[in-house]
Amino acid sequence: AQSVAQPEDQVNVAEGNPLTVKCTYSVSGNPYLFWYVQYPNRGLQFLLKYITGDNLVKGSYGFEAEFNKSQTSFHLKKPSALVSDSALYFCAVREGNNQGGKLIFGQGTELSVKP
Amino acid sequence: DGGITQSPKYLFRKEGQNVTLSCEQNLNHDAMYWYRQDPGQGLRLIYYSQIVNDFQKGDIAEGYSVSREKKESFPLTVTSAQKNPTAFYLCASSPTRSEAFFGQGTRLTVV
Repeated sequence: AQSVAQPEDQVNVAEGNPLTVKCTYSVSGNPYLFWYVQYPNRGLQFLLKYITGDNLVKGSYGFEAEFNKSQTSFHLKKPSALVSDSALYFCAVREGNNQGGKLIFGQGTELSVKP
Repeated sequence: DGGITQSPKYLFRKEGQNVTLSCEQNLNHDAMYWYRQDPGQGLRLIYYSQIVNDFQKGDIAEGYSVSREKKESFPLTVTSAQKNPTAFYLCASSPTRSEAFFGQGTRLTVV
């Protein structure tokens, strides 16, 4: 069965410092991996995805993520955090061998960036 | 304007009532999804549909029902069998094997 784990409920970072939000996954086939951001009382906004190819993927607002197959991880990173990055972040996985298929989300990580 | 529209934004239900949440998309996506969001529990999959006239249960389907009679529409009914329906409900759609696009959500409260 597919699953996603975000081991940290909350990440606190000072503005200007690098940030990392962790994600590990489990699927039986090749993974399609996604990161989303959610602001209060809103839907989710897509940040970036890994389908195939380069292990380092770049997305919106300066975010990037690194796919590591041996560690089954897909951590979200940003070199320099902004206060406006404060939000709820979700990692998601879909099994790549299925057409469409379940899209499963992690528990979410609350990112707080302080000035 | 392309996108996913959920309505209503806020919905109040009396105990014992069924209510239906609307989700419409004009993105021509094949797959559609319903998720429930509770504080501290992330998004949990209720139902999903990969094609018209077909849908599958997600992880928490009990007390919910769906239909997929048209490609653009995937309404969710919260039945009286759902004992704790107060939550934020999110609908999404996606092309095959790609990222999902989300609506703005419906907040359902039992009064």
